[in-house]
Amino acid sequence: ETVMTQSPATLSVSPGERATLSCRASQGVNSNLAWYQQKPGQAPRLLIYGASTRATGIPARFSGSGSGTEFTLTISSLQSEDFAVYYCQQYNDGYTFGQGTKLEIK
Amino acid sequence: EVQLVESGGGLVQPGGSLRLSCAASRFTFSIYWMSWVRQAPGKGLEWVANIKQDGSEKYYVDSVKGRFSISRDNAKNSLYLQMNSLRAEDTAVYYCARLTDGFDYWGQGTLVTVSS
Repeated sequence: ETVMTQSPATLSVSPGERATLSCRASQGVNSNLAWYQQKPGQAPRLLIYGASTRATGIPARFSGSGSGTEFTLTISSLQSEDFAVYYCQQYNDGYTFGQGTKLEIK
Repeated sequence: EVQLVESGGGLVQPGGSLRLSCAASRFTFSIYWMSWVRQAPGKGLEWVANIKQDGSEKYYVDSVKGRFSISRDNAKNSLYLQMNSLRAEDTAVYYCARLTDGFDYWGQGTLVTVSS
């Protein structure tokens, strides 16, 4: 099983600043990597697939990069609605999620 | 916009059974793989099962193999999850999701609680 590890567990950032979230795979997943945003009481929302392609309707301030085992989600200028939990997920070998990064207001 | 609506959750005793349903609308259900993903209270996400467009291929996470069964009825635009021999560790919100590159649309979820 491919294990996904996200860091940090919690990230404190001020509105308007940049946030950088990391995700590491225990083995290579090519570019078969997605990112999701989840707010309390809501279902997850797909942000990024194919490591770097924004899903439909996702603002340009969200960007993804990486391939193989190291991936990054960057939010260029944080808006109030961006504070949430973010999950990475690989779909190269089955489907496994990271444990999540909570993005909180500093 | 795509709509997925789950139902069928509730409280069940250990060893019991439950059948979840997911009603799909506003897209052509029959041409997509579909999935169930769960989330235990306060925990992360776990993929549970997938089913191919025509139902000919099904895949499960190891922890539910032999106990859960995924199925679909394309005529009714519906996805199902039959859950047998339920355990306390199956307690979670169960989401129905459409599978493309990643899970691109999700329902609102239905809570399954396994407890005596």
